[in-house]
Amino acid sequence: GAGVSQSPSNKVTEKGKDVELRCDPISGHTALYWYRQSLGQGLEFLIYFQGNSAPDKSGLPSDRFSAERTGGSVSTLTIQRTQQEDSAVYLCASSLAGQGTLYEQYFGPGTRLTVT
Amino acid sequence: AQSVAQPEDQVNVAEGNPLTVKCTYSVSGNPYLFWYVQYPNRGLQFLLKYITGDNLVKGSYGFEAEFNKSQTSFHLKKPSALVSDSALYFCAVRDYGNNDMRFGAGTRLTVKP
Repeated sequence: GAGVSQSPSNKVTEKGKDVELRCDPISGHTALYWYRQSLGQGLEFLIYFQGNSAPDKSGLPSDRFSAERTGGSVSTLTIQRTQQEDSAVYLCASSLAGQGTLYEQYFGPGTRLTVT
Repeated sequence: AQSVAQPEDQVNVAEGNPLTVKCTYSVSGNPYLFWYVQYPNRGLQFLLKYITGDNLVKGSYGFEAEFNKSQTSFHLKKPSALVSDSALYFCAVRDYGNNDMRFGAGTRLTVKP
């Protein structure tokens, strides 16, 4: 079946502009995660959605970052007033269930964001 | 909070030789441990996981990992490396009850012919 998809694959934006990154999880996966992967760094947890529960936003680095998940499926990560330090690969992952779960996550190919 | 360390940025092995990619973790409770692989220009792929039970876990592509509670380690191993195993490997840990998975910084494995 189809995996996790993300769009766009690449995004170049000017400092100060807003960007939206999209994630389509695997159908039936109730849990959705956003991570950030910077050059030479591991994956940094950003935000987690599970079903209709309130999202866990504890990983968002600043109030310029926000995310929504509509209808329990597609998610959008928004970065307002982008800064050069926001340049990274943004990864989305989904899994069958959430908190305390034993299930592995399935990752999308990522969106490479470059802020000039 | 949980954390994971991959002490080696780079591991080089010759094809046919055994390989080990190291990972140590820290959690307050029982750990759930995972290995993921990232091939060039591709997304992260799940390799294997330890939840409970047998300390030796077998996964995809002939990889295995051994959970060692006393050493808080979960090293990834393969008896005979292939050139196609060359990739970036991430260890991850989750503490029961936490939403986020903490990933290591990654280890780049290069297998030379």
